[in-house]
Amino acid sequence: RKEVEQDPGPFNVPEGATVAFNCTYSNSASQSFFWYRQDCRKEPKLLMSVYSSGNEDGRFTAQLNRASQYISLLIRDSKLSDSATYLCVVNPYQTGANNLFFGTGTRLTVIP
Amino acid sequence: SQTIHQWPATLVQPVGSPLSLECTVEGTSNPNLYWYRQAAGRGLQLLFYSVGIGQISSEVPQNLSASRPQDRQFILSSKKLLLSDSGFYLCAWAANTEAFFGQGTRLTVV
Repeated sequence: RKEVEQDPGPFNVPEGATVAFNCTYSNSASQSFFWYRQDCRKEPKLLMSVYSSGNEDGRFTAQLNRASQYISLLIRDSKLSDSATYLCVVNPYQTGANNLFFGTGTRLTVIP
Repeated sequence: SQTIHQWPATLVQPVGSPLSLECTVEGTSNPNLYWYRQAAGRGLQLLFYSVGIGQISSEVPQNLSASRPQDRQFILSSKKLLLSDSGFYLCAWAANTEAFFGQGTRLTVV
């Protein structure tokens, strides 16, 4: 079983729509969770960390469900500029980025 | 602020040729440094990481090697490239548990 699994998509949504991605992880002791955004042929960039209580940044909301071992990313009022691949990232330990496990990414295309 | 530089951006190399990709970090000292590879349609695979000068850990056996000659310099090398070495190579440095990536090198072995 993979450490991190994501639905690869693609998700094609109209502008203004709300879209949600889920990501499951296998290690129940995982400590840190992140969503990264990767534009086509570019490097991944940190979008947001995911906190136990859930967190929001503008149109983006991240949530963690430890019981079911998944994290989610909700994007409201989708913009064309949101088109990208979203990577789910899990760190089973408290420190050390050498322990980061990346999902294969979920591709989102926002359609005019 | 911290910045990470990686070059070249694109590279086309024949099978059997050597490889050298360089990565430097500015604005921080003693960073943890990483090399990742992303194959087409696949996730990021950690190749090497380094916690200090001359300290290299390899995550997977492969045709590549890494070196860290200076605190903020990380080099990825190969003596003879294989077709399977093609991919998108990313250098990264870490602050606590978050990773920050360089612009990447798209390597095509022909």
